[in-house]
Amino acid sequence: AQSVSQHNHHVILSEAASLELGCNYSYGGTVNLFWYVQYPGQHLQLLLKYFSGDPLVKGIKGFEAEFIKSKFSFNLRKPSVQWSDTAEYFCAVNARAAGTALIFGKGTTLSVSS
Amino acid sequence: ETGVTQSPTHLIKTRGQQVTLRCSSQSGHNTVSWYQQALGQGPQFIFQYYREEENGRGNFPPRFSGLQFPNYSSELNVNALELDDSALYLCASSLRATTNEKLFFGSGTQLSVL
Repeated sequence: AQSVSQHNHHVILSEAASLELGCNYSYGGTVNLFWYVQYPGQHLQLLLKYFSGDPLVKGIKGFEAEFIKSKFSFNLRKPSVQWSDTAEYFCAVNARAAGTALIFGKGTTLSVSS
Repeated sequence: ETGVTQSPTHLIKTRGQQVTLRCSSQSGHNTVSWYQQALGQGPQFIFQYYREEENGRGNFPPRFSGLQFPNYSSELNVNALELDDSALYLCASSLRATTNEKLFFGSGTQLSVL
């Protein structure tokens, strides 16, 4: 069965620090990869996605993620976080051959102090 | 803000009862997916409806069923409620039923089973 692992349950950073959230998945076939974010009091929303082409994808609010196929990873990065980045971040994978279901990780809570 | 609305916001039921949750998709979207999010976990795929037909199902028992209506709104029905059904139920709509499609989530229905 497919699964998604997010290595950090809770990350605490100061403003301007760099961020990297880990995400690994288990599936040997072709995948689509996503990061979703949930800001306090808001809906889950798409941050960025990868489905083909350049493995380095850029999303909203200065976030980027790199797909490394050999490592089954899709880590999320931001060079300098802001207080407004405080949120819960979910990595999700779609195994194309298995249909349209997204498999989500357990999420990482990011707390940024000003 | 997304255009996906869910009702009710909160619901309390007892074991063995039945529940119906409702979702209005964003205008122009013909695909609705339902997810269950238990406390401390990521969303788990229940099923997807595309143009009123089930278009994929996760690892949930048959007592979880759904409907999609001609206006693309949707219902999730759960029969014979169990304590473990207590969770946040998320509805997400999308423009198409393709594997790399962006999902627009509602704010969810918090179901408590006593």
